[in-house]
Amino acid sequence: EPEVTQTPSHQVTQMGQEVILRCVPISNHLYFYWYRQILGQKVEFLVSFYNNEISEKSEIFDDQFSVERPDGSNFTLKIRSTKLEDSAMYFCASSPRTQPLSSYNEQFFGPGTRLTVL
Amino acid sequence: QKEVEQNSGPLSVPEGAIASLNCTYSDRGSQSFFWYRQYSGKSPELIMSIYSNGDQEDGRFTAQLNKASQYVSLLIRDSQPSDSATYLCAALYNFNKFYFGSGTKLNVKP
Repeated sequence: EPEVTQTPSHQVTQMGQEVILRCVPISNHLYFYWYRQILGQKVEFLVSFYNNEISEKSEIFDDQFSVERPDGSNFTLKIRSTKLEDSAMYFCASSPRTQPLSSYNEQFFGPGTRLTVL
Repeated sequence: QKEVEQNSGPLSVPEGAIASLNCTYSDRGSQSFFWYRQYSGKSPELIMSIYSNGDQEDGRFTAQLNKASQYVSLLIRDSQPSDSATYLCAALYNFNKFYFGSGTKLNVKP
């Protein structure tokens, strides 16, 4: 069964450093998402991406964050200058939805990358 | 601010019983709703989605949506110890933006 994959599983970085989290969505999916979950807290939407551009972003997704689909398979989240409060689990998700304005939007999550900022 | 509210629990039920999980949402513009299961340290796993008022059944799971009351629920019949997890309710807004509740922790006791 196809699944979303994410690398690395755990990333440790120093405050102020740049990190890139990588995701390979399910191959025929068209919509991609990033979420974060701080330990013990709720899953928070960061950004959705379709047709090589951002569809929606949350208040969390400020200028320190960027997303990219550099080739036909990878989907990346870059944090330019990490802060202590960026420490969280970051989940990538993808959806096979075929129409932009559709309520049929089931998402499938990857296993996550645990980011630890020291 | 669009909110999805869930009772954090824990909700404890004996094996074989029906577990009832509830969720309310603040934004009437939310289009559809999703229930995910999350085991500790793992990613959310989709259980069911529901888009229309009423009930939707899938095996041991039934999702219920009442848009007038802004209320979503999930019933788990014949609960098993393996169902013990945190259950997340999510609402879709503007076709591309999701809001998750904090989750309800379910314990199914053998």
